Amino acid sequence: LAKTTQPISMDSYEGQEVNITCSHNNIATNDYITWYQQFPSQGPRFIIQGYKTKVTNEVASLFIPADRKSSTLSLPRVSLSDTAVYYCLVGDMYNTDKLIFGTGTRLQVFP
Amino acid sequence: EPEVTQTPSHQVTQMGQEVILRCVPISNHLYFYWYRQILGQKVEFLVSFYNNEISEKSEIFDDQFSVERPDGSNFTLKIRSTKLEDSAMYFCAVLRTEPYEQYFGPGTRLTVT
Repeated sequence: LAKTTQPISMDSYEGQEVNITCSHNNIATNDYITWYQQFPSQGPRFIIQGYKTKVTNEVASLFIPADRKSSTLSLPRVSLSDTAVYYCLVGDMYNTDKLIFGTGTRLQVFP
Repeated sequence: EPEVTQTPSHQVTQMGQEVILRCVPISNHLYFYWYRQILGQKVEFLVSFYNNEISEKSEIFDDQFSVERPDGSNFTLKIRSTKLEDSAMYFCAVLRTEPYEQYFGPGTRLTVT
């Protein structure tokens, strides 16, 4: 499983767009990039997953450059309720049992 | 209705006691997982379970731990003789295919005194 590096923390204000970048230099051909969100005392929640280029859903967008060595989770117009820890995970989702979580990025949204 | 529920939400037990944590998936799932998160630390994989047997386990999942699906519905994690360091949030997860993700339950907070 590829090692990931992401900022420990980020601050933002309500209504702003937040971009969290994750580095995964050793990503393998079969690896996907998945982001989870976790609120205190709750289980991680799947946000978005992608392999290359751009993926968008109702919650976020995921930008993946051609070399796939990094990815950026984009949260449009954050609100206070987006304050959480965001995890970037990289792995062959279809052939692995376990998710390996790092320390994640703690996003704090201020009013 | 949540896809996965866990009971109890909070369990307090004394060191050396056995505890059983339960996970109840709402719809039919084939793959099940247990993770734990010690307060302030990372979410750690414990074990995966498929077709009524362990598929993979981590080094944390030693002989103190066991899993089973006693009635084809509940999925349980048993800790035989709890230690203080077992205090953590324990999350059950199931594999969903649309989207392809591990879907986590709300967790059980285990406190060992």
